Amino acid sequence: KQEVTQIPAALSVPEGENLVLNCSFTDSAIYNLQWFRQDPGKGLTSLLLIQSSQREQTSGRLNASLDKSSGRSTLYIAASQPGDSATYLCAVNGLSNFGNEKLTFGTGTRLTIIP
Amino acid sequence: GAVVSQHPSWVICKSGTSVKIECRSLDFQATTMFWYRQFPKQSLMLMATSNEGSKATYEQGVEKDKFLINHASLTLSTLTVTSAHPEDSSFYICSARTTGAGSYEQYFGPGTRLTVT
Repeated sequence: KQEVTQIPAALSVPEGENLVLNCSFTDSAIYNLQWFRQDPGKGLTSLLLIQSSQREQTSGRLNASLDKSSGRSTLYIAASQPGDSATYLCAVNGLSNFGNEKLTFGTGTRLTIIP
Repeated sequence: GAVVSQHPSWVICKSGTSVKIECRSLDFQATTMFWYRQFPKQSLMLMATSNEGSKATYEQGVEKDKFLINHASLTLSTLTVTSAHPEDSSFYICSARTTGAGSYEQYFGPGTRLTVT
């Protein structure tokens, strides 16, 4: 059974700092890994998707890495801004017990950027 | 990009009644749709996977007679919460995957907040 853990559970940093969010997963047989952002009471916004054959993806100030063999991914946010405050979710796409694909979500990191 | 909509965005119902939530892929055809549930301060949990024209596959612990899923077309899936109770109050989110091989990326709807009184 795939388990996804995110550390830390909450993080507060001053505006302008660079920061790293961590995600670990137990089963390395995955199709891809995705990072999402969720604002309070809202749905998900997809940030980055890394295929299992890739090592990293970049979009603007965001960079996500994937080390499938060790079951780890990091999301790097450069020059943080107050608008980055949200909960960040890591999700791993693999096979379920039924042979279907299944996204397993992590517990999330609640990020607060202090102006 | 691929857009998924949900309706309604929020609903309040009385205990014992049934509620239907719609999930639509607006600009692509989705052979597979997924339904998730998120309780306050918790992460998303997959409830079921539905393929167009066939029965949904439910995750362990999810009652299929209580959460009825219909995926009658390539652009529409519905989740009906039957005989809702306060413990069913949650945020329900659907996602859809495009047809064909490729990235296996899922596109998520904005969610539906259900409150059962």
